[in-house]
Amino acid sequence: NAGVMQNPRHLVRRRGQEARLRCSPMKGHSHVYWYRQLPEEGLKFMVYLQKENIIDESGMPKERFSAEFPKEGPSILRIQQVVRGDSAAYFCASSPPGAVQGNTEAFFGQGTRLTVV
Amino acid sequence: AQSVTQLGSHVSVSEGALVLLRCNYSSSVPPYLFWYVQYPNQGLQLLLKYTTGATLVKGINGFEAEFKKSETSFHLTKPSAHMSDAAEYFCAVSEPGGYQKVTFGTGTKLQVIP
Repeated sequence: NAGVMQNPRHLVRRRGQEARLRCSPMKGHSHVYWYRQLPEEGLKFMVYLQKENIIDESGMPKERFSAEFPKEGPSILRIQQVVRGDSAAYFCASSPPGAVQGNTEAFFGQGTRLTVV
Repeated sequence: AQSVTQLGSHVSVSEGALVLLRCNYSSSVPPYLFWYVQYPNQGLQLLLKYTTGATLVKGINGFEAEFKKSETSFHLTKPSAHMSDAAEYFCAVSEPGGYQKVTFGTGTKLQVIP
């Protein structure tokens, strides 16, 4: 059973370009979470998605950031018109349907390290 | 609302010495508590978690943590540090009854000195 797969592992974008980060959850997992880790900081929650639904996007910046988790395919975190401050590690986590009880471990991917130049 | 405070962003211990990483939390309801470890350029790996029941929780790699409600603490310990324990450790909290939205502390980098 493969773990949470994120790609690319490293992504370099120039200011103003778009960044698309992909996350394939573990098999059988229907909940996906995105976190951002800025340098020298802990992980900050961004968004929680289930298939075709955004459940909680309270941690997402209001502009330029969007996320989706389609019926088929990976979850995508999209950052439009990137700026230097978007440089960070972006982690995806997934959990099975039982996570609604709040006591199920979320499994993390290895992250995508975005560098904006 | 919930929050996590990790005291000490950097901790150094000698190989074979006791490891103690401190974590205090704030939560309006009895929390679920976690410790994760992150090795350089890697994702997070769950060390251990407390949900209900026994307050002393044993995890992987010889780590354990004790939930102390009166002190709102969940400190991580290991009796004898190994070089391979050098990593960054994150304490985290989530509220039961909801989904797995986890609030992380800012992390503690553990250095093990030979």
